[in-house]
Amino acid sequence: GAGVSQSPRYKVAKRGQDVALRCDPISGHVSLFWYQQALGQGPEFLTYFQNEAQLDKSGLPSDRFFAERPEGSVSTLKIQRTQQEDSAVYLCASSLGSGANVLTFGAGSRLTVL
Amino acid sequence: AQKITQTQPGMFVQEKEAVTLDCTYDTSDPSYGLFWYKQPSSGEMIFLIYQGSYDQQNATEGRYSLNFQKARKSANLVISASQLGDSAMYFCAMRDRQDSNYQLIWGAGTKLIIKP
Repeated sequence: GAGVSQSPRYKVAKRGQDVALRCDPISGHVSLFWYQQALGQGPEFLTYFQNEAQLDKSGLPSDRFFAERPEGSVSTLKIQRTQQEDSAVYLCASSLGSGANVLTFGAGSRLTVL
Repeated sequence: AQKITQTQPGMFVQEKEAVTLDCTYDTSDPSYGLFWYKQPSSGEMIFLIYQGSYDQQNATEGRYSLNFQKARKSANLVISASQLGDSAMYFCAMRDRQDSNYQLIWGAGTKLIIKP
């Protein structure tokens, strides 16, 4: 696609529900990143994929967070048993090469946990 | 210690004036990269400019330039002839090999408002 597409743009979940956030990167982009951005703050790294391989998941805050990119294109970030502190914007970004170079971001998925 | 520091939470600037957004960084890795991104209210991060630690000249991209002072560990973004559309959050970010070659470390951002 022309850009990085994320869905849903907005998600409201009750505490304890599971959510899934989707990212469709630019076609052919090798690298895919997930970031979490709390209100009024800079993004925080969650995880990195190079094609289908998850090379770095050191930023995932707990084992309730899980990400996958099974075919090296679309990625899904899953949060189980959501808690209020999970409320944030989840940003997906992709880049043509490997590593953290110039990233193209999606518009984000805003998660609100009640 | 903060690896990326943006000391200006917010700035008001008159349209057509130049504006400098401050960014200082901290790393002991000799090989690192510095990025500036713009985030308008729509939420999408937009890449503006990149400076590598070994680049001899300051990076420029149209109205954007980076005032890179390596000894002071400073990488300020300069926007010339500001426009109303420049109103947004601006983030400075760094990649170094101390943490990971995959992670960008981000500052807290500066909210820039251009006044007509």
